[in-house]
Amino acid sequence: EVQLVESGGGLVQPGGSLRLSCAASGFTFSSYSMNWVRQAPGKGLEWVSYISSSSRTVYYADSVKGRFTISRDNAKNSLYLQMNSLRAEDTAVFYCARGPLRGDYGGIDYWGQGTLVTVSS
Amino acid sequence: DIQMTQSPSSLSASVGDRVTITCRASQGIRNDLGWYQQKPGKAPKRLIYAASSLQSGVPSRFSGSGSGTEFTLTISSLQPEDFATYYCLQHNSFPMYTFGQGTKLEIK
Repeated sequence: EVQLVESGGGLVQPGGSLRLSCAASGFTFSSYSMNWVRQAPGKGLEWVSYISSSSRTVYYADSVKGRFTISRDNAKNSLYLQMNSLRAEDTAVFYCARGPLRGDYGGIDYWGQGTLVTVSS
Repeated sequence: DIQMTQSPSSLSASVGDRVTITCRASQGIRNDLGWYQQKPGKAPKRLIYAASSLQSGVPSRFSGSGSGTEFTLTISSLQPEDFATYYCLQHNSFPMYTFGQGTKLEIK
């Protein structure tokens, strides 16, 4: 069974930093691309960032480019999101989400349960 | 950038009703679209992939259709557990994904 478990969320002041983690199990993590998707309170889903299976390719939404960094450790079956210069508008539940197999093309199939990030003074 | 316009934004219906939700893409995206269901406080769950393929384990009352710029999700006979928010997601611009704004399906 595919499992994605996020951690690292919490309350942080504007301008602060936070690092999210996602522990993956139930599949060959190193074979899949991964994503972070967020959802502000009462709002819709917003794709945030993508990383290829090998970490060779990363992409970011314009709203977080230059402030967030996605990374992964295939030996630890883990995905990360380093968030710097946080703003109030970054307040959201952050989901770890699985993309397609290496070399493949497609959408997101599995999601974690999410971790809440609150940016407030 | 590809924009996805989902309609309606909310919908009231009764158990047993047939409902249809639409997503329109700002440019042609072939069949590179999925549909997701999200219940309050829960993660999204994929229902449909490649516009019309049913995800394993999803009830057959859910169906998807469309190609190019217009897509629909149909629930043939609403069940109590179907009241949720539904999103479309395009991956034609992979890996830069775009979601629709969501449709909240409520009990009439």
